[in-house]
Amino acid sequence: AQTVTQSQPEMSVQEAETVTLSCTYDTSESDYYLFWYKQPPSRQMILVIRQEAYKQQNATENRFSVNFQKAAKSFSLKISDSQLGDAAMYFCAYRRRDSNYQLIWGAGTKLIIKP
Amino acid sequence: KAGVTQTPRYLIKTRGQQVTLSCSPISGHRSVSWYQQTPGQGLQFLFEYFSETQRNKGNFPGRFSGRQFSNSRSEMNVSTLELGDSALYLCASCHQSVGSNEQYFGPGTRLTVT
Repeated sequence: AQTVTQSQPEMSVQEAETVTLSCTYDTSESDYYLFWYKQPPSRQMILVIRQEAYKQQNATENRFSVNFQKAAKSFSLKISDSQLGDAAMYFCAYRRRDSNYQLIWGAGTKLIIKP
Repeated sequence: KAGVTQTPRYLIKTRGQQVTLSCSPISGHRSVSWYQQTPGQGLQFLFEYFSETQRNKGNFPGRFSGRQFSNSRSEMNVSTLELGDSALYLCASCHQSVGSNEQYFGPGTRLTVT
């Protein structure tokens, strides 16, 4: 069975600085997707970034980038130039690349931005 | 394009009652998934519907059921409510075409069982 682990329950960063959130996963599949979702206090879950396992290039979306290490089964999220609006719960999620749309989630990391 | 909508947003029920939650996906999305979010268990997959058929199911008791209509709207039902069913229930829709796999989430329904 696939599992996703986020070992940092809470992280804090000074506004404008860079922070990295960690995620590891376990799977026997070779092809899959990995996602980072953000859930602000308003509760709407928002996709931040996704990575397709067969792509070696790390995904980037503006200030958000990932470090995908497939052999190590590691998928960390780097947030550059942190902003107050980045404060939220961040969830790492895994999905097989087939018709099974089930997302398997990590426990989440609460990100606090210090002004 | 309108996002995923869920109704009601908040619900308070008593143990033993049943409840029905509704989810309207983004127009054109045919896949609808449901997740339960609790502080203790985190996010857990309930089930996924595609073209009115349940395609995948998580590890939840039979008290949890769902259905999908021809317009892709989905409902989930929980019968004989227990205190442990108190949670945020999230619905997500997906277009499901080649290369398109992002799930878009609704705001959730907060269910409180007393």
